[in-house]
Amino acid sequence: DAGVIQSPRHEVTEMGQEVTLRCKPISGHDYLFWYRQTMMRGLELLIYFNNNVPIDDSGMPEDRFSAKMPNASFSTLKIQPSEPRDSAVYFCASRTGTGGSPLHFGNGTRLTVT
Amino acid sequence: AQSVTQLGSHVSVSEGALVLLRCNYSSSVPPYLFWYVQYPNQGLQLLLKYTSAATLVKGINGFEAEFKKSETSFHLTKPSAHMSDAAEYFCAVSDSLGDYKLSFGAGTTVTVRA
Repeated sequence: DAGVIQSPRHEVTEMGQEVTLRCKPISGHDYLFWYRQTMMRGLELLIYFNNNVPIDDSGMPEDRFSAKMPNASFSTLKIQPSEPRDSAVYFCASRTGTGGSPLHFGNGTRLTVT
Repeated sequence: AQSVTQLGSHVSVSEGALVLLRCNYSSSVPPYLFWYVQYPNQGLQLLLKYTSAATLVKGINGFEAEFKKSETSFHLTKPSAHMSDAAEYFCAVSDSLGDYKLSFGAGTTVTVRA
């Protein structure tokens, strides 16, 4: 079990640029979640997928944010254009569909927008 | 939706002393409950989970938590703190139905004094 894999680990970009974060969930997991973590707001759920279908994107802060899951083994979170207030650590997590199944987190992508 | 309250954003303990982290949830139906730990520059890792099999749950690294329905609490304890326990700890509660989405508390940072 390789765990949830996120890339890149660190991303530094200038305001206005497009940023793409990537995630490979654990094989066999039906659910994939994207979270954002900041000192001010803690852990925020941005969006989650079930069987590659977006279920709830109410946590996506603005239209500048979009997420896709083209297949069961890959998801992206895109920010276009990026702004300094998007600086945060972005986590991807996955789990099975069973009630009580724990979330497995990746190590996150630390995004800095200058 | 479920909600979680963690009392105390920072806890400082001496090495060898009891660690007690408090968590209260809002629910009229016994939910699924979790404690996660986050070490610096890492994702969240599962410490333990409650899924109604037993009210006292043992987790990794000597931690345990007790589910008390009457108090809607799920406090985390460790009898003797170790320097390696310095981290941030998150309590989380799952919806009882549907997609079993997790709601996280704000987190408690534990500092261990030598």
